[in-house]
Amino acid sequence: AQSVAQPEDQVNVAEGNPLTVKCTYSVSGNPYLFWYVQYPNRGLQFLLKYITGDNLVKGSYGFEAEFNKSQTSFHLKKPSALVSDSALYFCAVRDAGNTPLVFGKGTRLSVIA
Amino acid sequence: DADVTQTPRNRITKTGKRIMLECSQTKGHDRMYWYRQDPGLGLRLIYYSFDVKDINKGEISDGYSVSRQAQAKFSLSLESAIPNQTALYFCATSAGDTSQETQYFGPGTRLLVL
Repeated sequence: AQSVAQPEDQVNVAEGNPLTVKCTYSVSGNPYLFWYVQYPNRGLQFLLKYITGDNLVKGSYGFEAEFNKSQTSFHLKKPSALVSDSALYFCAVRDAGNTPLVFGKGTRLSVIA
Repeated sequence: DADVTQTPRNRITKTGKRIMLECSQTKGHDRMYWYRQDPGLGLRLIYYSFDVKDINKGEISDGYSVSRQAQAKFSLSLESAIPNQTALYFCATSAGDTSQETQYFGPGTRLLVL
């Protein structure tokens, strides 16, 4: 069975600094990896996904994520954080079979001006 | 107009009452899902459906039931609500029959069981 770990409940970063939100996963076979963001009182919005190919994936709002197969990680990154990036971020994974996404517990990102 | 809609957006009910949460989508997707979100626990899958004749239990299906009335509609019922079902409920959809498709989420229903 697949699983996702987001080891940090909360990440604080100053505006303009780079940010990283960590995610590690466990699946049998090749992983399909996703990042979603949830703003207050809103549903989840898709940011980016890794299916195959280049290990560095670029997504919405300037976010990118790096797939590292040896470390089973898919960390979310942004070179320069904005206050408006403050939100709850979820990593999710599925395997190549016919299974739904499994989500991590979420990491709350707070960008301080 | 939103592609995935949920009604009601907020609901307060009492222990023992039966309630239904509804989800509709205009994306033309075959697959639909119900999740609940609790602080510190992330999103957990309740039920999912890959087409109109298909219903599957998720991680936490006890105390819930679903109905897939049409491709575009997927309802979640709490037959006898209890306080620990207080949560934020999300419906989601996805297309196709590959593992690559993205899931699209509705705005959520906030449920309080007294």
